[in-house]
Amino acid sequence: GNSVTQMEGPVTLSEEAFLTINCTYTATGYPSLFWYVQYPGEGLQLLLKATKADDKGSNKGFEATYRKETTSFHLEKGSVQVSDSAVYFCALRSNDYKLSFGAGTTVTVRA
Amino acid sequence: DTAVSQTPKYLVTQMGNDKSIKCEQNLGHDTMYWYKQDSKKFLKIMFSYNNKELIINETVPNRFSPKSPDKAHLNLHINSLELGDSAVYFCASTLGQLNTEAFFGQGTRLTVV
Repeated sequence: GNSVTQMEGPVTLSEEAFLTINCTYTATGYPSLFWYVQYPGEGLQLLLKATKADDKGSNKGFEATYRKETTSFHLEKGSVQVSDSAVYFCALRSNDYKLSFGAGTTVTVRA
Repeated sequence: DTAVSQTPKYLVTQMGNDKSIKCEQNLGHDTMYWYKQDSKKFLKIMFSYNNKELIINETVPNRFSPKSPDKAHLNLHINSLELGDSAVYFCASTLGQLNTEAFFGQGTRLTVV
């Protein structure tokens, strides 16, 4: 079946530091890949997505590239802010309607 | 207008009670989901409906029963609540196509005492 493996947290950074959260997947077919963000006390929001190999998703300074050869979709941001403190989820959707999530990575950015 | 709305936002109840959580989406989506998020933030899919038909039914106690009166609504009824049911429950919706994202509700924090 499909699965997503995400870098374990928690991750604590200083403002303006570089953030990377690793994500690898196992899937049949050609899945679409997503990063969701959950701010404290809120539901999940889509951060970015990529629907085919070599696509790069980007939003709010975050980027992730769909790498079929390494089955990865790592999330990066060059300079984090306190407001980026949240839980980040990698997810995939394949041809069975199921949206499968990684375990989530809690990121805390200190001023 | 809220795209995916859940009610109630908070629910505190005693063990053994029966409760329902309601979800409505106004996005015109044809697929809806229920997810359970535990205290470690892990998200587990419970059910999914596509055009009112059950398409995903994960290993969930049969005390949990989803109901979809139409494709804009997906409710979750829980019988004989147990302490271990305490969690945040999220409703989500999406279009049936592969590359579309899911939209989530704000969650219902269920506390069983």
